[in-house]
Amino acid sequence: EPEVTQTPSHQVTQMGQEVILRCVPISNHLYFYWYRQILGQKVEFLVSFYNNEISEKSEIFDDQFSVERPDGSNFTLKIRSTKLEDSAMYFCASSVDRDGYTFGSGTRLTVV
Amino acid sequence: GESVGLHLPTLSVQEGDNSIINCAYSNSASDYFIWYKQESGKGPQFIIDIRSNMDKRQGQRVTVLLNKTVKHLSLQIAATQPGDSAVYFCAEEPSGTYKYIFGTGTRLKVLA
Repeated sequence: EPEVTQTPSHQVTQMGQEVILRCVPISNHLYFYWYRQILGQKVEFLVSFYNNEISEKSEIFDDQFSVERPDGSNFTLKIRSTKLEDSAMYFCASSVDRDGYTFGSGTRLTVV
Repeated sequence: GESVGLHLPTLSVQEGDNSIINCAYSNSASDYFIWYKQESGKGPQFIIDIRSNMDKRQGQRVTVLLNKTVKHLSLQIAATQPGDSAVYFCAEEPSGTYKYIFGTGTRLKVLA
């Protein structure tokens, strides 16, 4: 069964540093998403991406965040200057037509 | 373990019994609803979905019921198995948006 692949599985970074979280969506999917989940809490929407542009973003997705699809296969989330409160599991997801998207296994980001 | 954050409601069922997990959604403009299962350390896994023009949909061992009058969604799992133990989230997609809003989640424990 096709999978959404995320790397790394765990990233530890110093506060103020930039991080890039990487995702390889399912190959024929057209819609791409980032969500995050702070430990023990709800899954929260960050951003959706379609046709090489952001479709929608949440209040969390401020100027410190950016997304990019640099080639035909990767989809990245960059956090420019990490804060302690950015520590969370970050999930990438993709879908063919916005219905029932497939999530990756996540990257656990720890900001110290 | 998950020692901080929201306290998840827990449903404990005997193996072989049926499980019913409930969810109240927030937005009357939502027209698409999904149930996800999340096992520890993994991303959400799609279980079943339903559109607002339906009130019931069945899958393999799972049934989703939608009551738009009271904004209530439920997931029924028949003949619950140990592998069903996980946290279950409902999610809604408000019409015209590109995001899912996730519920708090319910932890299902299957007792042998």
